[in-house]
Amino acid sequence: AQTVTQSQPEMSVQEAETVTLSCTYDTSESDYYLFWYKQPPSRQMILVIRQEAYKQQNATENRFSVNFQKAAKSFSLKISDSQLGDAAMYFCAYRRLNTGTASKLTFGTGTRLQVTL
Amino acid sequence: DAGVIQSPRHEVTEMGQEVTLRCKPISGHDYLFWYRQTMMRGLELLIYFNNNVPIDDSGMPEDRFSAKMPNASFSTLKIQPSEPRDSAVYFCASSPRLAQVLGDTQYFGPGTRLTVL
Repeated sequence: AQTVTQSQPEMSVQEAETVTLSCTYDTSESDYYLFWYKQPPSRQMILVIRQEAYKQQNATENRFSVNFQKAAKSFSLKISDSQLGDAAMYFCAYRRLNTGTASKLTFGTGTRLQVTL
Repeated sequence: DAGVIQSPRHEVTEMGQEVTLRCKPISGHDYLFWYRQTMMRGLELLIYFNNNVPIDDSGMPEDRFSAKMPNASFSTLKIQPSEPRDSAVYFCASSPRLAQVLGDTQYFGPGTRLTVL
């Protein structure tokens, strides 16, 4: 079974600084997808960024980028120029490639990010 | 698009009562997912539908839980009878058919916070 581990329960960053959230996963699959979701106090889950395992290039979305190390099964999220609105819980998620019906997302336990002035 | 809509946003009920949570997926999305989030267990997939048909309900905790999707724009999750341990935030998410190729991005609703006294 696939597992996703986020070893940092809480992180803190100063406004305008850069922070990196860690995520590791375990799978025997070679093709899969990885995601980072943000859950602000409103509790809504918001997709931040997605990475396809077959792509070597790291995904980037504005101030958000990932460092995808397939061999190490590592998928960290870097937030540049942190803003107060980035404060939230961040969940790393895995989904294996399935040519049939959709398969479930497996989530990590989350990292709570605090942004300070 | 309004996104995934869930109702009610908050529900407080007494043990033994029936609870019905409602979800309207994004128009055109073929997949609908129900998740439960608790402090102890994190995010868990309960069940998902493809074209209104339940595909995987292995996450449904017990027979007290049931889910239906009578049409493409509406789904319910029912708990009968409810118990205090059912207290959690319940999320509905949807994704489009082409997400099979694009990475199965799931769009989450705001969640329903259920409290069973």
